[in-house]
Amino acid sequence: NAGVTQTPKFRILKIGQSMTLQCTQDMNHNYMYWYRQDPGMGLKLIYYSVGAGITDKGEVPNGYNVSRSTTEDFPLRLELAAPSQTSVYFCASSYSGNEKLFFGSGTQLSVL
Amino acid sequence: KQEVTQIPAALSVPEGENLVLNCSFTDSAIYNLQWFRQDPGKGLTSLLLIQSSQREQTSGRLNASLDKSSGRSTLYIAASQPGDSATYLCAVLGLGPGTYKYIFGTGTRLKVLA
Repeated sequence: NAGVTQTPKFRILKIGQSMTLQCTQDMNHNYMYWYRQDPGMGLKLIYYSVGAGITDKGEVPNGYNVSRSTTEDFPLRLELAAPSQTSVYFCASSYSGNEKLFFGSGTQLSVL
Repeated sequence: KQEVTQIPAALSVPEGENLVLNCSFTDSAIYNLQWFRQDPGKGLTSLLLIQSSQREQTSGRLNASLDKSSGRSTLYIAASQPGDSATYLCAVLGLGPGTYKYIFGTGTRLKVLA
């Protein structure tokens, strides 16, 4: 059972570079989420999707973009990386919005 | 705006001790509450989910309670073991249209000493 798979696990970016964090789930979940976790802080919601073709902003969307062309995939795009985007990024999914959340293992991103 | 607080931020206990982790939230209009475990460098694993209509949920040595009116949840761990060492986070899901967003606490880092 793969569950929620995130790639890459680690990445170092230079200021101004762009990259895409990949997230895929094989549980046929409708809801998918991107969170960031900073040291000593709780998880902050960046973007979420309630189904293919539908996305919406969370608490901290600035500097990020998402798309959801399929049920399985929910990539997160960072444009013009900034040091403030140094964080651990988690993708999560659930079948409906009020059920158990399943998380990927995270991507540790450093912007230098 | 919903705020979720977990106190203490860190806790060390000897093996075998029963312990309680606390989670408080400011808005009692919630749909459910989840408790998660996070091991260092790993993602979160859902331990227990309590619906707003429920008072508690149990899984093995874990028992989670919910008191919506007071804005509190507790996670009880019986007979703690070194393998229980991890960070425990709670998250609440608010009511209302479009609120498919969990609000997370900052977690309690637990260390169980052998």
